Amino acid sequence: AQSVAQPEDQVNVAEGNPLTVKCTYSVSGNPYLFWYVQYPNRGLQFLLKYITGDNLVKGSYGFEAEFNKSQTSFHLKKPSALVSDSALYFCAVRDHYNQGGKLIFGQGTELSVKP
Amino acid sequence: SQTIHQWPATLVQPVGSPLSLECTVEGTSNPNLYWYRQAAGRGLQLLFYSVGIGQISSEVPQNLSASRPQDRQFILSSKKLLLSDSGFYLCAWSLQGGNGYTFGSGTRLTVV
Repeated sequence: AQSVAQPEDQVNVAEGNPLTVKCTYSVSGNPYLFWYVQYPNRGLQFLLKYITGDNLVKGSYGFEAEFNKSQTSFHLKKPSALVSDSALYFCAVRDHYNQGGKLIFGQGTELSVKP
Repeated sequence: SQTIHQWPATLVQPVGSPLSLECTVEGTSNPNLYWYRQAAGRGLQLLFYSVGIGQISSEVPQNLSASRPQDRQFILSSKKLLLSDSGFYLCAWSLQGGNGYTFGSGTRLTVV
């Protein structure tokens, strides 16, 4: 069965500092991995995905994520955080054989960036 | 370009009343369609998904049902709402093969 873990409910960062939001996954086959961001009372917005290829994936708004197969991780990173990055972040996974293309989401990590 | 529309944005309904939430997708054909519920502003629970007209898969037993009367229309329904049905409902679509979703803007349902 597929599963995703986001071990931190909340991450606090000072503006201008680097940020990391952690994600680990479990799938039976090759993983497809995704990061989404949600602002209050809004739908989820796509940030980036890993399907195949380079382990370092670059996405929207300066975010990037590194796929690490041996550690089954896909941590989200940004070199310099902005106050406007404050939001709820979701990691998601599906495996290659998943019927219906279903994504399984983590519980979310609240990112708070202080000035 | 593809767009997804979800309405209404907010809804307050009494316990025992019926529910109908609608989601439509434009600019694509034969999408996979999904309904998620987000309780307490956190985790997303997959409720239903559909890979084609009239094809509905239910992920969890509950007081809700879903239908797909047209290729790009996905409806979430209930005959009698419960207090526990309150939450933020999100519709999403993906291409067949599902390399990621596009989400609607969500419906905040409060059952009183």
